[in-house]
Amino acid sequence: KQEVTQIPAALSVPEGENLVLNCSFTDSAIYNLQWFRQDPGKGLTSLLLIQSSQREQTSGRLNASLDKSSGRSTLYIAASQPGDSATYLCAEFSSNTGKLIFGQGTTLQVKP
Amino acid sequence: NAGVTQTPKFQVLKTGQSMTLQCAQDMNHEYMSWYRQDPGMGLRLIHYSVGAGITDQGEVPNGYNVSRSTTEDFPLRLLSAAPSQTSVYFCASSREGANTGELFFGEGSRLTVL
Repeated sequence: KQEVTQIPAALSVPEGENLVLNCSFTDSAIYNLQWFRQDPGKGLTSLLLIQSSQREQTSGRLNASLDKSSGRSTLYIAASQPGDSATYLCAEFSSNTGKLIFGQGTTLQVKP
Repeated sequence: NAGVTQTPKFQVLKTGQSMTLQCAQDMNHEYMSWYRQDPGMGLRLIHYSVGAGITDQGEVPNGYNVSRSTTEDFPLRLLSAAPSQTSVYFCASSREGANTGELFFGEGSRLTVL
């Protein structure tokens, strides 16, 4: 069964800290993996998309990596800011199932 | 550019009532989809469409109908609402498909079924 897991469910850090969010997936036939941001009461905003042939993608202070052999992806946020406070979700698209499966998200709070 | 627009934002229904959640996108995207988001369950795919006239079922299609008569619109119909359908519903679109590129989401429709 295709499953995506995000641990921890919640994280609180002081402003300025570098942090890593984790995403694990069970399907070895991964096609791509996406990271999204969701603000309270809002929809999801796509942050980064990593194709299975890639190892990482970068956008500003965000860097996402993909390790297919271990079934893991990480989202690295440098120099965190209070505006980064949100829920971050990862989603895996499987070549086997043709489905995009979401993790349950990590809720991040960055304290001033 | 409005992106993906969902209406209504909030709705309260009684058990057995029917309603339609509207979704429209102005990006000329071929792929459109509906998800529901529930605490502890994450986002789950209800139905999706790869183009006008084409629809298919996702993970949790029971109790929902869709149609795609135009590229822009992808309404989701609840024929006889049940309390289990209380959720936040999101419409999402992509230029080609969920596997090829960025998904754009609407801001959600919050449905309560009493």
